[in-house]
Amino acid sequence: DQQVKQNSPSLSVQEGRISILNCDYTNSMFDYFLWYKKYPAEGPTFLISISSIKDKNEDGRFTVFLNKSAKHLSLHIVPSQPGDSAVYFCAAGGGGGSNYKLTFGKGTLLTVNP
Amino acid sequence: EPEVTQTPSHQVTQMGQEVILRCVPISNHLYFYWYRQILGQKVEFLVSFYNNEISEKSEIFDDQFSVERPDGSNFTLKIRSTKLEDSAMYFCASSEPLQGSSAFFGQGTRLTVV
Repeated sequence: DQQVKQNSPSLSVQEGRISILNCDYTNSMFDYFLWYKKYPAEGPTFLISISSIKDKNEDGRFTVFLNKSAKHLSLHIVPSQPGDSAVYFCAAGGGGGSNYKLTFGKGTLLTVNP
Repeated sequence: EPEVTQTPSHQVTQMGQEVILRCVPISNHLYFYWYRQILGQKVEFLVSFYNNEISEKSEIFDDQFSVERPDGSNFTLKIRSTKLEDSAMYFCASSEPLQGSSAFFGQGTRLTVV
C-alpha cells in the first residue's frame, strides 16, 4: 500500500540548473508534507516542509509546491549544486488521527553533475 | 545544534539472538520513533512512543519487537529473536509534540543478522 509515491528512482541534472523532484500521495487525510535528504550511511535530514493549507513554501534554494487537488507535491532546487547529490525522500504526516508518524516515499536519487 | 544519537553504528548478531538498539533523542522532544530501511527499499515506520507508551505501531512491529524508555534520556528498540530479514538500517527519530513539526533522525544503526 504505497500511500506516498516517488515514481522517479533517479534524476540527473547539470550544476546551475533546476532540479524538480516529484511526489504523489493517495491519502487525502495527510495534512503536512516534508522533504528529507539522505546521504549514504547517514540518517535522513529534514529539508523543508509544507502544511496542507499552503501551496508553496520557500527556503533559500529550495521551494516546495503542493497541489492538493492533484495530491501532488514537488521540490524545486535552483540553482542545483553538486553537494545536493543525495537521495531525496518525500514524507507525509497527519493521516487522519495518526500520532505524527511519517509515511515515506521510496526516494529519488539526485545527481548534480559539475 | 541538538541531534539524535544512536549506538552502536553497526551491530552484527547471530540469528535468534536478542539485540538492543539505543538512541538518545533531542532533549526537549516528547515524541520518539523507530524507522527502518532494508537495503534498497524505502524508509518504513515501525513505532511511535509518547508519554511512556506506544502511541502507534506498524504491522512490522510484531511481538518480537519492544521499545522502552528506561531513563530520562535513552530510548531503546529490542528485537527478541532476530531473523535474517531483520537486517536493515534502523533509524531513531524524535519530534516536538506539534502537528506538522519535523522529525529529526539519528544517523542509524546498521543491523546485520547472520
